[in-house]
Amino acid sequence: SQTIHQWPATLVQPVGSPLSLECTVEGTSNPNLYWYRQAAGRGLQLLFYSVGIGQISSEVPQNLSASRPQDRQFILSSKKLLLSDSGFYLCAWSPGDRELFFGEGSRLTVL
Amino acid sequence: AQSVTQLGSHVSVSEGALVLLRCNYSSSVPPYLFWYVQYPNQGLQLLLKYTSAATLVKGINGFEAEFKKSETSFHLTKPSAHMSDAAEYFCAVSGGGTSYGKLTFGQGTILTVHP
Repeated sequence: SQTIHQWPATLVQPVGSPLSLECTVEGTSNPNLYWYRQAAGRGLQLLFYSVGIGQISSEVPQNLSASRPQDRQFILSSKKLLLSDSGFYLCAWSPGDRELFFGEGSRLTVL
Repeated sequence: AQSVTQLGSHVSVSEGALVLLRCNYSSSVPPYLFWYVQYPNQGLQLLLKYTSAATLVKGINGFEAEFKKSETSFHLTKPSAHMSDAAEYFCAVSGGGTSYGKLTFGQGTILTVHP
């Protein structure tokens, strides 16, 4: 069966520091991968999605970036965090154009 | 483009009562529709999905939803609420095909279950 893991689960970072959140999918190949952000009271916002290695599409312009160095690995990064980057980040995968399967989430607090 | 509106950011019911969470969608193509549940500090778990087959969809934990094209609705119901149903629920829509699985989510409805 397929599983998805993301880490770290919680992170407290100062403003201006870098960020790296990692996500790995097991048990499938060539999945579509996604990063969503969930800010308090604002629902889920799609940040990035990828349909293959090295193929990244950005939905929202911001100081975050994403990379897909391997088929089943998806990384969310920032060079300098802002206070507004705080939130709950969710990685997800999809076998195609159907439902998404989510990881456990990473809670980021920027101070 | 798609959009989702969840009517009511908070719903409160008594244990054993009917649960009804409302979702209306907008889509320029035949939609795929989903309901997800989220417990505190956890990811989202798929409850059920509609992908143009039967209009009444049954999901996990006793939930079901009915797709009504004429009303552009996909309301979530459960006949008898349980304390463990307390969580946040999200309705989502996808256009399918070349949408690459990108879902548009509603703002969520927090369900509270009273003993």
